[in-house]
Amino acid sequence: AQKITQTQPGMFVQEKEAVTLDCTYDTSDQSYGLFWYKQPSSGEMIFLIYQGSYDEQNATEGRYSLNFQKARKSANLVISASQLGDSAMYFCAMREGYGQNFVFGPGTRLSVLP
Amino acid sequence: NAGVTQTPKFRILKIGQSMTLQCTQDMNHNYMYWYRQDPGMGLKLIYYSVGAGITDKGEVPNGYNVSRSTTEDFPLRLELAAPSQTSVYFCASSYSRDPSYEQYFGPGTRLTVT
Repeated sequence: AQKITQTQPGMFVQEKEAVTLDCTYDTSDQSYGLFWYKQPSSGEMIFLIYQGSYDEQNATEGRYSLNFQKARKSANLVISASQLGDSAMYFCAMREGYGQNFVFGPGTRLSVLP
Repeated sequence: NAGVTQTPKFRILKIGQSMTLQCTQDMNHNYMYWYRQDPGMGLKLIYYSVGAGITDKGEVPNGYNVSRSTTEDFPLRLELAAPSQTSVYFCASSYSRDPSYEQYFGPGTRLTVT
């Protein structure tokens, strides 16, 4: 079964608008971490934001925020005031407990329109 | 700090050839990982290491081997290259197995097997 689901293969957003990228996850662990990474066309993986399973507040990092709904097992990324440079692939990832590896979702390609 | 470095950036192999992808990190991280990313897909774990001398298989280890003789280096060996190994390979490292710690990624190696 898929541990990380990203149901939006591609998204479009107008410059300066906000956009939400969906991520749902599946785990039976109580302790886990959720991460979002950005992959621009140049190919590198850039860490954006982290949410811990015990964190009560939603994580925020500048224009990025994570809408964490634990009961629904969702960890959506919200990008406010989109910029052209936000056009990229976005990956949701999870690290379970003290597991050794991250599990990545299939990604969402975001295109920001001028 | 250079972070995680990978060489080469690009490589074309003929079917049946072998090669080693190099990965070095200068952050004194114990945990290191190799992923592959097929076109339009997320990352899949090939092998990981929790410290010098200790390695283990990930989700897709067939056709690959690793070694970890030092904390800094984690090379990935491809024996008898096959077209199915055409992919982008990412090396990553992490400070801790605690789920709150992110992975730092190298820039990737784009491998084509023809």
